[in-house]
Formats: sequence, C-alpha cells, structure tokens
Amino acid sequence: RKEVEQDPGPFNVPEGATVAFNCTYSNSASQSFFWYRQDCRKEPKLLMSVYSSGNEDGRFTAQLNRASQYISLLIRDSKLSDSATYLCVVLSGGSYIPTFGRGTSLIVHP
Amino acid sequence: ETGVTQSPTHLIKTRGQQVTLRCSSQSGHNTVSWYQQALGQGPQFIFQYYREEENGRGNFPPRFSGLQFPNYSSELNVNALELDDSALYLCASSSAPGLALSTDTQYFGPGTRLTVL
Repeated sequence: RKEVEQDPGPFNVPEGATVAFNCTYSNSASQSFFWYRQDCRKEPKLLMSVYSSGNEDGRFTAQLNRASQYISLLIRDSKLSDSATYLCVVLSGGSYIPTFGRGTSLIVHP
Repeated sequence: ETGVTQSPTHLIKTRGQQVTLRCSSQSGHNTVSWYQQALGQGPQFIFQYYREEENGRGNFPPRFSGLQFPNYSSELNVNALELDDSALYLCASSSAPGLALSTDTQYFGPGTRLTVL
C-alpha cells in the first residue's frame, strides 16, 4: 500500500458545483498535512495547511480524520480557474519527510 | 513569481552521463529542498539543505547528491544517469529551518525538465 494515496480523477464538474477530494495515508504517526495546487506545466503552490479541527479559507475547506487516516479538501462554488491538480502532502512523524500524493485532477467546465 | 529560479529549464542527456542542476533561493531563504516529479506523479522528496548541511533525505540512491553554497543557492548532481531519471526536478526554498517547519512555507521554482535517452 502506498504511503499517501489519491484518486487521480479527473473530476469533471460544472462551474458552481461543490467537489470534494480525499487523500488517505498509511502512517498513523503522521504529524502534518497540507494541500498543494499544481497548474499544468507549472510548479506546485501551497493551497492550505490542514489542522486537526478543520479549517476554511474562502471557498476551500480542509478536514482531517485521524481515525480513518484521511484528509479531505472541499471546494464550493467551483470556478473555471480552480482547474488544476490538487496534491496532498503528509509529513511523517519523526523524520518529517514530506510525502506527496500523485494528485487529483480537477476540470471545471462552463 | 516566487523568486526561486532554476537552470537550465530543459536538458537532454544519455544514459551513464552526469548532470548538475542549479537553484537560486528566494531572497532571505536559507533552506532548499529538491524533488523529483515523474510524469503523472506527485513530487518525490530527494533531500533538503539547511545552512549548507544535508538536513534530511528521501529514498534516493547515493548517485543523487547535492550542495548548498554560502549564498544559499544549491546544486543537485546526478551521476550514472538512468532512463528512469527522466523527470521534472523541482527545488523549493524556505526561510524556516528543517522539514517540520518548511513544508508550509516553501516556494517552488519552475523546475528543470530532464530527459535521459
């Protein structure tokens, strides 16, 4: 089993839709979690950190479920500009080596 | 733009050759991490340098090595290139020391696309 797993998609949604992605991790000692966004042929950029209590930034909400070992990203009122690949990142306890998932592709269409 | 620059942007090498990739950190950043991103995959952590010392290493063989200079710029060297080394190589700089703190404060450069024939 891979350390960090994501459904590669693509998720194809209309503008205005709500879409959610999950990311599962295998190491129960994982400490920190993040979502990055990567546009086609561009570098990854931090979207948001994921806190234990969950956190929201505008249309984006991130949640952590330690019991089931997954994090989620919810995007409300999708915009065309949200089309990108969303990468989850997990820092394992102890070494803190960042492990990226393979990313989930989102396509928002008119 | 992030202020992190990488050179060259593209490179073609043949199996067995050696390659050096370069990264200039954003001003004020003293931590540099290197990642390998194969097509359709997420970035894989190679190693991190903080104040010229290696500060953590992922699951890459010793033929992947690095340097960080006093001005915090960095090099990634890969010896004995293999076909599977073909990928986008990304560097990321941060002002936070160490892996525990830098992942949410790092800025990536545009990457160097390496093709090994």
